Amino acid sequence: GQNIDQPTEMTATEGAIVQINCTYQTSGFNGLFWYQQHAGEAPTFLSYNVLDGLEEKGRFSSFLSRSKGYSYLLLKELQMKDSASYLCAPGSNDYKLSFGAGTTVTVRA
Amino acid sequence: KAGVTQTPRYLIKTRGQQVTLSCSPISGHRSVSWYQQTPGQGLQFLFEYFSETQRNKGNFPGRFSGRQFSNSRSEMNVSTLELGDSALYLCASSSTGGRTEAFFGQGTRLTVV
Repeated sequence: GQNIDQPTEMTATEGAIVQINCTYQTSGFNGLFWYQQHAGEAPTFLSYNVLDGLEEKGRFSSFLSRSKGYSYLLLKELQMKDSASYLCAPGSNDYKLSFGAGTTVTVRA
Repeated sequence: KAGVTQTPRYLIKTRGQQVTLSCSPISGHRSVSWYQQTPGQGLQFLFEYFSETQRNKGNFPGRFSGRQFSNSRSEMNVSTLELGDSALYLCASSSTGGRTEAFFGQGTRLTVV
């Protein structure tokens, strides 16, 4: 089964750092995806972690701890365009990608 | 290369009717997944197809069905529509499903009245 938990909302100031935490319990877990979804648009891929540790990609970094069922997405040097919903999505060996409810990040000037 | 194409973009149907939605994946992608997105439930997995075979199905009633053709295009069908079926239906394509990045289409907004 799937149980995915992430905060509902976060607010931060332009230029600041935001960390979005996600905990999951996923049968047959095989990796953790993060997606970004702007209002009225389709989700777009941000990152994928298979192994424990930190993956850095520009202003965005993602961390995974498989033993703890825990991941976080770190957004640095926040920009107004980063205001969006961020979706944590554990993948599983049965080809199913389950999504958390999403964290709405609001960036204020 | 062209992205994932979903048609139609918008649909209005009456309760009891049926509807068919279409998804054309990125060229070369053989995995297509379908999701239902509503404000209250978020993104819910419907099913996943790979090379014309359904490999997994979410917890939806049998009124929701799908299929995939030999060219990887996929359709999903909802019969006997209910008001609660009003949602954004998204399809996502990936090369293998599971461990690879999925690309989403813009979705079909279905309204049941």
